[in-house]
Amino acid sequence: TAGITQAPTSQILAAGRSMTLRCTQDMRHNAMYWYRQDLGLGLRLIHYSNTAGTTGKGEVPDGYSVSRANTDDFPLTLASAVPSQTSVYFCASSDHGTGTYNEQFFGPGTRLTVL
Amino acid sequence: RKEVEQDPGPFNVPEGATVAFNCTYSNSASQSFFWYRQDCRKEPKLLMSVYSSGNEDGRFTAQLNRASQYISLLIRDSKLSDSATYLCVVMIPGGGADGLTFGKGTHLIIQP
Repeated sequence: TAGITQAPTSQILAAGRSMTLRCTQDMRHNAMYWYRQDLGLGLRLIHYSNTAGTTGKGEVPDGYSVSRANTDDFPLTLASAVPSQTSVYFCASSDHGTGTYNEQFFGPGTRLTVL
Repeated sequence: RKEVEQDPGPFNVPEGATVAFNCTYSNSASQSFFWYRQDCRKEPKLLMSVYSSGNEDGRFTAQLNRASQYISLLIRDSKLSDSATYLCVVMIPGGGADGLTFGKGTHLIIQP
């Protein structure tokens, strides 16, 4: 079982360009999340989806968009990248239940550098 | 005040020693607590949940102090492989997604 995968592993992107980070899980988890991790700031939630067809904003959503057309995929798009979006991006999934916690499983991350 | 605070370290500890670190949280309504481990340049992984009565998993012991609003992680007989960043995670009701808030992590270095 692959679990949760992300692509690409790393990317260098020119400022102003667009890019989509891909995330796929095969665990049939209903909830998926995108985080960015920066030195000294820890993990910060960008967007999340509690179930296919719905999305929500996290702590730092500006400059990012997501979609959840099906259970398995949760792409993150940067419409016009800026250098402050240089970061490590982690996708995660969980079997989300109302009022309960279920372990979040993380993908291996995408290292993005915006120049 | 940050919702979840940790001492970033690094904690430099000789192999075989016992090390403990705490995490404080500000929301008294927080319901669930966890420790995640993150190795360098890798993704975070769940280490253990923290239960009200305290719980142990091998060399690792986690405790919760609701009155003082902190959780702790104790590692006994530390191994070189314990070197990692330990993230404190708190579930805060009404938060986004499933309400999980991550601390910035405590960096632990076990020295031979």
